[in-house]
Amino acid sequence: NAGVTQTPKFRVLKTGQSMTLLCAQDMNHEYMYWYRQDPGMGLRLIHYSVGEGTTAKGEVPDGYNVSRLKKQNFLLGLESAAPSQTSVYFCASSYSTSGGFYEQYFGPGTRLTVT
Amino acid sequence: AQKITQTQPGMFVQEKEAVTLDCTYDTSDPSYGLFWYKQPSSGEMIFLIYQGSYDQQNATEGRYSLNFQKARKSANLVISASQLGDSAMYFCAMREVISSGSARQLTFGSGTQLTVLP
Repeated sequence: NAGVTQTPKFRVLKTGQSMTLLCAQDMNHEYMYWYRQDPGMGLRLIHYSVGEGTTAKGEVPDGYNVSRLKKQNFLLGLESAAPSQTSVYFCASSYSTSGGFYEQYFGPGTRLTVT
Repeated sequence: AQKITQTQPGMFVQEKEAVTLDCTYDTSDPSYGLFWYKQPSSGEMIFLIYQGSYDQQNATEGRYSLNFQKARKSANLVISASQLGDSAMYFCAMREVISSGSARQLTFGSGTQLTVLP
């Protein structure tokens, strides 16, 4: 099991360029999430998905779009990158649950720099 | 308002001693969960321990225990017998319902950088 993988690991963009970050999980999880982590801060939720074909906004969605065409993949897009989007991006996945314990499994992160 | 507060930006502990990392939270959801994650310098997020709001006993996982005081809304992480490999950033997180649906999201604190001294 690879768990949660993210592609690429590092990327440098110029302001205005676009890119897509790929997250893949092989645990058959229903839920997937994209977070960003800025220096000195915890992770903040950008978008999430509760199943194939469904996405929803999290805490900081502006400037990002997502798609979940396949259950195992969750894509994060930046249409026109800005320096404020310089961050480390984490993808996570989990089982669906109506309550009780569930653990989010995190990918290794993607370090994005926008100049 | 901050939902998760970690008031210790940095902590030092001597190897083999115990250390407590503080976490307070705020929620009106009666059903919530509290998590601690470890983030070493390599950057990955490692799950350590979980406490559910209805759990009667404090959670323990090996050298990690969670001191859960529901009335005070605190969920402190206790690491016993610290090891050099425990040096890392530690995040407290709370699971709560995302208002727009049934999904649960994790809200993270700002973290505590723990350094274990030899």
